[in-house]
Amino acid sequence: NAGVTQTPKFQVLKTGQSMTLQCAQDMNHNSMYWYRQDPGMGLRLIYYSASEGTTDKGEVPNGYNVSRLNKREFSLRLESAAPSQTSVYFCASSGDRSIMNTEAFFGQGTRLTVV
Amino acid sequence: KQEVTQIPAALSVPEGENLVLNCSFTDSAIYNLQWFRQDPGKGLTSLLLIQSSQREQTSGRLNASLDKSSGRSTLYIAASQPGDSATYLCAPQGGSEKLVFGKGTKLTVNP
Repeated sequence: NAGVTQTPKFQVLKTGQSMTLQCAQDMNHNSMYWYRQDPGMGLRLIYYSASEGTTDKGEVPNGYNVSRLNKREFSLRLESAAPSQTSVYFCASSGDRSIMNTEAFFGQGTRLTVV
Repeated sequence: KQEVTQIPAALSVPEGENLVLNCSFTDSAIYNLQWFRQDPGKGLTSLLLIQSSQREQTSGRLNASLDKSSGRSTLYIAASQPGDSATYLCAPQGGSEKLVFGKGTKLTVNP
């Protein structure tokens, strides 16, 4: 029972490089989220997807793009990494409110350093 | 815009104490509230989910209450243990379906 799986766990990028963070869930959840966590700032929502084919900006979307490839997968792309994007990134998923299945589950995080 | 405040920011207690963590939120139009635990360097682990129609939920030594109208939730930990040391986060979820987090309460339980 994998839950929410993120890859990679660690990454070091040079300024200007691009990369994609991958996230997959096996709980048949509709909603998926990308957050970043920084010391003193808490968890901030980057992007959100309520269902396959839909995405919505969160609190801090600048510098990021997302793709909801299918119901299972939600990827986060950094087109041109900046040192300000050094952070720990978490993917999460939650179920369908209509069937009271809204508990959210998180991946183990990706620790990204941009130098 | 939903804003979530958790008090205290940090708490240090001796083993065996009962304790209460507080969470307040500004927009009471939520349909659930979830409490999480985060260990250093790890992801978030779901502890309890309270639907808006419920007043409380219990799991083992944990009890969470929700007063939606006043914008408050509390997490009660009974007979605390060193293994309870972690950061505790609350997250109300509203009509936008987005989880909004507080900055958490860092709990240290001393043997």
